[in-house]
Amino acid sequence: KAGVTQTPRYLIKTRGQQVTLSCSPISGHRSVSWYQQTPGQGLQFLFEYFSETQRNKGNFPGRFSGRQFSNSRSEMNVSTLELGDSALYLCASSLWVNGPEAFFGQGTRLTVV
Amino acid sequence: AQRVTQPEKLLSVFKGAPVELKCNYSYSGSPELFWYVQYSRQRLQLLLRHISRESIKGFTADLNKGETSFHLKKPFAQEEDSAMYYCALSPPGSARQLTFGSGTQLTVLP
Repeated sequence: KAGVTQTPRYLIKTRGQQVTLSCSPISGHRSVSWYQQTPGQGLQFLFEYFSETQRNKGNFPGRFSGRQFSNSRSEMNVSTLELGDSALYLCASSLWVNGPEAFFGQGTRLTVV
Repeated sequence: AQRVTQPEKLLSVFKGAPVELKCNYSYSGSPELFWYVQYSRQRLQLLLRHISRESIKGFTADLNKGETSFHLKKPFAQEEDSAMYYCALSPPGSARQLTFGSGTQLTVLP
């Protein structure tokens, strides 16, 4: 079966702009989580969505938001981009109840200039 | 607050030697514990989950609740084991809200 798909793979944006990243989970997976990976902070949990509702949120400012659609696809949005938002953004999908593991996408590399 | 600590950023061993990657955690309660691996130019993937108690690719990990540790071990390292290894925890019964350690880059030398 197809894995988790993230688009686009690479993005370059300027400070102050906003950006939207997309994640298509594995078919049948209803939970989607987002993570930010940076050399300094490592992998950090952003938020999790299930049934179009945000279930959990990490310690990130309100500029980071997301949503999930009825087909479980998810988007995350970052507004008013800062240089420090440059990172690899990873999406992971899993089953909701007793999900044995999270399956990760290849990520979207965001560079803010 | 929950936290995962991997004290070694880099670890090098020779092929055929034993390898142990250390992981300590802090969590109020009984979390799910995982080892994830990322091979060069590949996506992050699950290696082990403590609850399954399996051996994957020769790796095992023992949960020590007293020491709050979940070290990853392999008796005979292979060159193809070279990768970045992340220890992670999540709330019980899920793999949805992972807290990761900073990772250990393992290099197995020929």
